[in-house]
Amino acid sequence: EDQVTQSPEALRLQEGESSSLNCSYTVSGLRGLFWYRQDPGKGPEFLFTLYSAGEEKEKERLKATLTKKESFLHITAPKPEDSATYLCAVQAGSNDYKLSFGAGTTVTVRA
Amino acid sequence: DADVTQTPRNRITKTGKRIMLECSQTKGHDRMYWYRQDPGLGLRLIYYSFDVKDINKGEISDGYSVSRQAQAKFSLSLESAIPNQTALYFCATSDSLQGQNTGELFFGEGSRLTVL
Repeated sequence: EDQVTQSPEALRLQEGESSSLNCSYTVSGLRGLFWYRQDPGKGPEFLFTLYSAGEEKEKERLKATLTKKESFLHITAPKPEDSATYLCAVQAGSNDYKLSFGAGTTVTVRA
Repeated sequence: DADVTQTPRNRITKTGKRIMLECSQTKGHDRMYWYRQDPGLGLRLIYYSFDVKDINKGEISDGYSVSRQAQAKFSLSLESAIPNQTALYFCATSDSLQGQNTGELFFGEGSRLTVL
């Protein structure tokens, strides 16, 4: 069974204080790893897809990286508007229809 | 207007009542999903549909049923609600490339259901 574990559960940062979120996964034949952002009272919003170890994707202050067992979401010089819950999900090669989600990391950035 | 619209946004009901959550989309996607979100558990797939004539169970389908009324509409029903179905429910859609799921889901804003 596919498993996704995110750490830490919660992260409090000062504005400008860079940090990383971790997503460890166990999946049979990774088809893709996805990062989503979820704001309070909203549905998740897609950020990145990573397909193979060594791949990196960037968007503004966010950079996602992938190894064979985990992915990191690096937040560089965060701003208060980066406060959200970040979700990681994996898609196995055998399950075209299904994403297995982690429980998320809630990031709070204080001004 | 949102691309994926869910109604109602909030609902409080009693044990044993029948509840329907509705979802409509303007994305033009064939694939639609219902997920449930609980604190500490992440999103879990309830049902999914790849077109109007295709309905499939997800990992936690017991106690739920769905109907795909049209390409753009996908509803979730709880025939007899129970307290442990209290959760945040999300509808999502996705496109496909050459028949394969792209993995990018477009979510609605959620329906918060409380069963007393």
